[in-house]
Amino acid sequence: EAQVTQNPRYLITVTGKKLTVTCSQNMNHEYMSWYRQDPGLGLRQIYYSMNVEVTDKGDVPEGYKVSRKEKRNFPLILESPSPNQTSLYFCASSSPAGLSAFFGQGTRLTVV
Amino acid sequence: EDKVVQSPLSLVVHEGDTVTLNCSYEVTNFRSLLWYKQEKKAPTFLFMLTSSGIEKKSGRLSSILDKKELFSILNITATQTGDSAIYLCAVDPGPNFGNEKLTFGTGTRLTIIP
Repeated sequence: EAQVTQNPRYLITVTGKKLTVTCSQNMNHEYMSWYRQDPGLGLRQIYYSMNVEVTDKGDVPEGYKVSRKEKRNFPLILESPSPNQTSLYFCASSSPAGLSAFFGQGTRLTVV
Repeated sequence: EDKVVQSPLSLVVHEGDTVTLNCSYEVTNFRSLLWYKQEKKAPTFLFMLTSSGIEKKSGRLSSILDKKELFSILNITATQTGDSAIYLCAVDPGPNFGNEKLTFGTGTRLTIIP
């Protein structure tokens, strides 16, 4: 089954404690992205990757890092989380073939 | 700055009604416009529109794009309670066809009352 898998689904953490949200896709897609969704602001792109070792900033990259060492994985790293990073995070993958982006189930992060 | 605006923000109708959701955009580059449905968590794809005036249809849902006036509408006829969701509109600026960088609107929350 084609899917984008995010882990964890829910996470409550404290300010400053480094965390990683993993994202894996099984569709051999070249493109992967991270979005955050906040009430009244919609989905905003954090980072995206066009292929292995190729990443670029989206609209709200501050406070986040990503890496793309393998085609299937695109982890999101928060080196020092802060309460304003409390949000619902989505990973997405897609291909140059023109099919739509395919989203993971989301990770609800709370930073206290 | 690219902007995608959806209206209304929220809509409550009775089962069986027909609804029209709106999406307007102001973007530097345009490749395609996409509609997604978000029920509990992950947005799921509905339509991708690239050409003006060509209606895309899937069952009771249909959508059309006007590239001259920079907007799209999503129509749902004979609504059912299962249509209750947030409907998201997004623009892909390209240049690739891969949706690697989407700009989303804030969504329309649709509630269908039995």
